[in-house]
Amino acid sequence: EPEVTQTPSHQVTQMGQEVILRCVPISNHLYFYWYRQILGQKVEFLVSFYNNEISEKSEIFDDQFSVERPDGSNFTLKIRSTKLEDSAMYFCASTLETSGRNEQYFGPGTRLTVT
Amino acid sequence: ILNVEQSPQSLHVQEGDSTNFTCSFPSSNFYALHWYRWETAKSPEALFVMTLNGDEKKKGRISATLNTKEGYSYLYIKGSQPEDSATYLCAFRNQGGKLIFGQGTELSVKP
Repeated sequence: EPEVTQTPSHQVTQMGQEVILRCVPISNHLYFYWYRQILGQKVEFLVSFYNNEISEKSEIFDDQFSVERPDGSNFTLKIRSTKLEDSAMYFCASTLETSGRNEQYFGPGTRLTVT
Repeated sequence: ILNVEQSPQSLHVQEGDSTNFTCSFPSSNFYALHWYRWETAKSPEALFVMTLNGDEKKKGRISATLNTKEGYSYLYIKGSQPEDSATYLCAFRNQGGKLIFGQGTELSVKP
């Protein structure tokens, strides 16, 4: 069964460093998402991406964040200068369509620890 | 601000017990409701997507109902097994596909 994959599973970085989190969505999917969960809090939406453009973003997704689909298979989230409060589990998700009863499939997450 | 709430926060039951939990969401501008089952270190697993008021869905021993007019969904597990232990997440979906999650219900089933 097709699945969303994410690498790395755990990333430790120092404050101020840039990180790139990688995702490979399901191959025929068209809509891509990043979510995150800070320990003890709700899973929260960061950004949605369709047709090589951001279609919606949350207020968390400021200028420090960017997304890219560089080669038609990978979908990346870049954090330019990490802060302590960026420590969280980051999930990538994808779906074929946003209408009706289409499932949104999640990867296993990347745990980002900023020290 | 859209808010999705789940209760209870955690639940401890014995093997064989049936259980249910609640997801509350805004009743206006409803588009879809998702239920996920999430075990630590694994991908959240899609259980149901519900779109119509009165929808009832079933997958094995797990079922869900939806009331969009009053803004709630129930998830039921019949005859809980230890392998059902997980966090159950509900999420309200907007038209653009964005999911707004509840805080989850952590279920622990003791043998």
